[in-house]
Amino acid sequence: LAKTTQPISMDSYEGQEVNITCSHNNIATNDYITWYQQFPSQGPRFIIQGYKTKVTNEVASLFIPADRKSSTLSLPRVSLSDTAVYYCLAMDSSYKLIFGSGTRLLVRP
Amino acid sequence: DVKVTQSSRYLVKRTGEKVFLECVQDMDHENMFWYRQDPGLGLRLIYFSYDVKMKEKGDIPEGYSVSREKKERFSLILESASTNQTSMYLCASSRPGESYNEQFFGPGTRLTVL
Repeated sequence: LAKTTQPISMDSYEGQEVNITCSHNNIATNDYITWYQQFPSQGPRFIIQGYKTKVTNEVASLFIPADRKSSTLSLPRVSLSDTAVYYCLAMDSSYKLIFGSGTRLLVRP
Repeated sequence: DVKVTQSSRYLVKRTGEKVFLECVQDMDHENMFWYRQDPGLGLRLIYFSYDVKMKEKGDIPEGYSVSREKKERFSLILESASTNQTSMYLCASSRPGESYNEQFFGPGTRLTVL
């Protein structure tokens, strides 16, 4: 049975780089790993997705090792507005979507 | 701007009532999803649909049913609401293929069952 595990919470300061890691075993070998951001009273918002190695877009980078048993979301130079809950999403070997339980990031001034 | 809308932001119902949660997307997406979100448990998939009149059970379908008569609309039905169905309900949509996991979410409906 696939499972995704994330830290419950993280603290950081403005301007720092934040790395949030999600562990995921027994995921599908041919599907993307996806990360979302959620603010209070809103639905999650897509940030980035990748299949392997490294992906970068205008807001984040995603690192996925060759064994795909984990993924790390990297937020460069966070600001107060990055305070949110971050979720990883993967698909298990029977093609069921599995969300992590979320990491609450608090960015302090 | 792409949009997923849900019929209510807040809803209060009584035990045993039949409850309808509506979701509409304007992106012509094939896939639509219903999740519930509870503290400490993240998002759990209730049902999804990959085409009109098609539906698949997610992780926690018990006590729920769905309807997709039109491509843009996906309804979640609680046949007989119970207090353990008090939760935040989120609807999402996505395109097929590589964009399957790039889901667009609505703002959510916070349902309270008394």
